[in-house]
Amino acid sequence: EPEVTQTPSHQVTQMGQEVILRCVPISNHLYFYWYRQILGQKVEFLVSFYNNEISEKSEIFDDQFSVERPDGSNFTLKIRSTKLEDSAMYFCASSFGTDTQYFGPGTRLTVL
Amino acid sequence: GQQLNQSPQSMFIQEGEDVSMNCTSSSIFNTWLWYKQDPGEGPVLLIALYKAGELTSNGRLTAQFGITRKDSFLNISASIPSDVGIYFCAGQNAGNNRKLIWGLGTSLAVNP
Repeated sequence: EPEVTQTPSHQVTQMGQEVILRCVPISNHLYFYWYRQILGQKVEFLVSFYNNEISEKSEIFDDQFSVERPDGSNFTLKIRSTKLEDSAMYFCASSFGTDTQYFGPGTRLTVL
Repeated sequence: GQQLNQSPQSMFIQEGEDVSMNCTSSSIFNTWLWYKQDPGEGPVLLIALYKAGELTSNGRLTAQFGITRKDSFLNISASIPSDVGIYFCAGQNAGNNRKLIWGLGTSLAVNP
């Protein structure tokens, strides 16, 4: 069964460093998303992406964040200058249309 | 913004018991979804509900989309140890806004 994959599974970085989280959505899906989950809290929407552009972003998704689909398979989330409060699980999701979003296993980001 | 209230926050039950959890919102959603998250993993979709009043089953799981479109419940019958995890409800609106709004989760523990 097709699935969303994410790499790395765990990323440790120093405050102020740039990180890139990678996702490979399900191959025929057209909509891509990033969510994050701070430890012990609910999942929060960051950004949705369709037709090579951002379709919606949340207040969390400020100028430090960017997304890109550099080729036909990868979908990346970049954090330019990480802060301590960026430590969280980051989940990528994809959907074919307005239907079910399928989630990847997540990347645990730890900012020291 | 829209928020979901999910209850109970946690449950500890005996194997074989039935479980019920619910979500309410102050505003309407067009789609209600129930996800399960195991430790260190991404959310996995259990049931999706698309119409007010809809009652849908998936094995031992049953979920309903409230008629007011502001609530949903999930029932698990005859619980087993592998039901352990965190259950999240999520709401989604129609149109281009496909982001999921998440509840805080219900942590379920099952005593064999």
